[in-house]
Amino acid sequence: SQQGEEDPQALSIQEGENATMNCSYKTSINNLQWYRQNSGRGLVHLILIRSNEREKHSGRLRVTLDTSKKSSSLLITASRAADTASYFCATNTGNQFYFGTGTSLTVIP
Amino acid sequence: EAGVAQSPRYKIIEKRQSVAFWCNPISGHATLYWYQQILGQGPKLLIQFQNNGVVDDSQLPKDRFSAERLKGVDSTLKIQPAKLEDSAVYLCASIPGGTGELFFGEGSRLTVL
Repeated sequence: SQQGEEDPQALSIQEGENATMNCSYKTSINNLQWYRQNSGRGLVHLILIRSNEREKHSGRLRVTLDTSKKSSSLLITASRAADTASYFCATNTGNQFYFGTGTSLTVIP
Repeated sequence: EAGVAQSPRYKIIEKRQSVAFWCNPISGHATLYWYQQILGQGPKLLIQFQNNGVVDDSQLPKDRFSAERLKGVDSTLKIQPAKLEDSAVYLCASIPGGTGELFFGEGSRLTVL
């Protein structure tokens, strides 16, 4: 399978805490992206990190990429109840996108 | 800017029946994707179009699934005959060129009884 693996599968934290989720993939990539999916909705793009970048920030999001280990992590700081959703990494090679298995995040108010 | 439109949002059918899903991507987006998302899993690519040509349909179960994008704009995904394991959300996504972020529709949820 070309899908990546994410861990943990599920994560439950208190509001205000930080959430970290990890993604491992198998092939070389142009970039890696993270998406959020609220229950019953489509996926929404969060952040993109290129293969020659090691870290990127956007608001409360911090993404790291280690191409030697074929892994990435997404950190959400100061979590809010509205961050409750599933999070997916997606590898982009050429014009093909392959998604990971997802992490289900629950933020308890 | 209008987003990716999909219909119907929900569909319930009996096994062996047929169903069709429609997608209208964002205007000007040349590349269109259909993904299948089974409950609790990540989206799995079914087919990718570049304008009205198929780029990748290697994971499309061609004995029962078909898709077309005749004028390089909207697209239809058909399942005939449906099986129980086809119960899933069918997501359409588009992108202007070949890289950057994907824009997704809200999905079409299929239940096969």
